[in-house]
Amino acid sequence: EAGVVQSPRYKIIEKKQPVAFWCNPISGHNTLYWYLQNLGQGPELLIRYENEEAVDDSQLPKDRFSAERLKGVDSTLKIQPAELGDSAVYLCASSLTSGGTYEQYFGPGTRLTVT
Amino acid sequence: TQLLEQSPQFLSIQEGENLTVYCNSSSVFSSLQWYRQEPGEGPVLLVTVVTGGEVKKLKRLTFQFGDARKDSSLHITAAQTGDTGLYLCAGAPGNMLTFGGGTRLMVKP
Repeated sequence: EAGVVQSPRYKIIEKKQPVAFWCNPISGHNTLYWYLQNLGQGPELLIRYENEEAVDDSQLPKDRFSAERLKGVDSTLKIQPAELGDSAVYLCASSLTSGGTYEQYFGPGTRLTVT
Repeated sequence: TQLLEQSPQFLSIQEGENLTVYCNSSSVFSSLQWYRQEPGEGPVLLVTVVTGGEVKKLKRLTFQFGDARKDSSLHITAAQTGDTGLYLCAGAPGNMLTFGGGTRLMVKP
């Protein structure tokens, strides 16, 4: 069974440029998460989808970040314009909605460097 | 202040030693997950604990959920170099999904 796929794995951009990350979850997983992880710290939730619906986006900086999950399968996270402080690893995860246990399966992440 | 506090933040030990890391909160969790993350990879789920007082074993790893479901511990017996990584606990008090800051473990040969 294929795991969570993310692309690209690495991205270097100049500040004020736009950037997009793509995630394909495990087949059949209806819940999809985007996280931001700074070096040496735990992941911080940006947005959680149940099928096509964003059910928790309270931590998403909506002035520059946007996300979509058309058809309830793969998802795209966009930053426009990027700032120096956005340099981090962006992780995507998926899970089955199962009684609130939130057992998540993560992709390898996209390492973003903003110069 | 993080909802889930992990301690210690860093731990460096010799191969063969035992260790315990902790995950604490003032909130009650319906469940807690433990993950291990290696450099350049995403976290990998190790275990989920659900019942207060529950103990789960995964080879040399023993996970315990506190009776009040506010804290958890991970004990590793006879650590190996392959245990090196970032150990993360995660849970959702109410509906607010959160991760702890992690314990970075280094096991030296």
